[in-house]
Amino acid sequence: GAVVSQHPSRVICKSGTSVKIECRSLDFQATTMFWYRQFPKQSLMLMATSNEGSKATYEQGVEKDKFLINHASLTLSTLTVTSAHPEDSSFYICSARLAGLTDTQYFGPGTRLTVL
Amino acid sequence: AQTVTQSQPEMSVQEAETVTLSCTYDTSENNYYLFWYKQPPSRQMILVIRQEAYKQQNATENRFSVNFQKAAKSFSLKISDSQLGDTAMYFCAFSISNTGNQFYFGTGTSLTVIP
Repeated sequence: GAVVSQHPSRVICKSGTSVKIECRSLDFQATTMFWYRQFPKQSLMLMATSNEGSKATYEQGVEKDKFLINHASLTLSTLTVTSAHPEDSSFYICSARLAGLTDTQYFGPGTRLTVL
Repeated sequence: AQTVTQSQPEMSVQEAETVTLSCTYDTSENNYYLFWYKQPPSRQMILVIRQEAYKQQNATENRFSVNFQKAAKSFSLKISDSQLGDTAMYFCAFSISNTGNQFYFGTGTSLTVIP
């Protein structure tokens, strides 16, 4: 149980285009999902917290107009990288919170974004 | 401020041996959860083990166990009978109860199991 999927796993796009990444909790409902960015050999950097039915909360230094987050249902959150530039190339990971006593986050497999 | 420190950037262990990864954290909160996640080369984050701070008993999951010392704010992970599939980055993390559950991650320890 507690499986999180992410799509696509890899995407290559041209500079200036927008890319949408989907994060789904497959067998549980997630009122809260998180989006992270990870650079090579580094830890996960929290970008934003996505709450179903409300606006996302962005971490300091993350441009909300650049990284649009929508959490329209209890099983789906999307991250759209708008007007992508090469510096946006990175590994993006989502997680979904399994509410309850343990408050554990379960992670998606990640999306490798390359902007040419 | 909440911080997590993993002081061992890289470690190695012989197959079938035991290895301990260290983690310390700092928080003024009393109710929180602690986690170890594994990130193999596939980069999928996998939950290894979790510990509720209010529990004194150390969590155990098969070959994985923790040594939780709340007063010292220490949360080390012991891997027994190491296997080649244990080769991965290991991240220590904690979250504060009922606050939206932001995770605070350590910088990770890269573990290599040597055949």
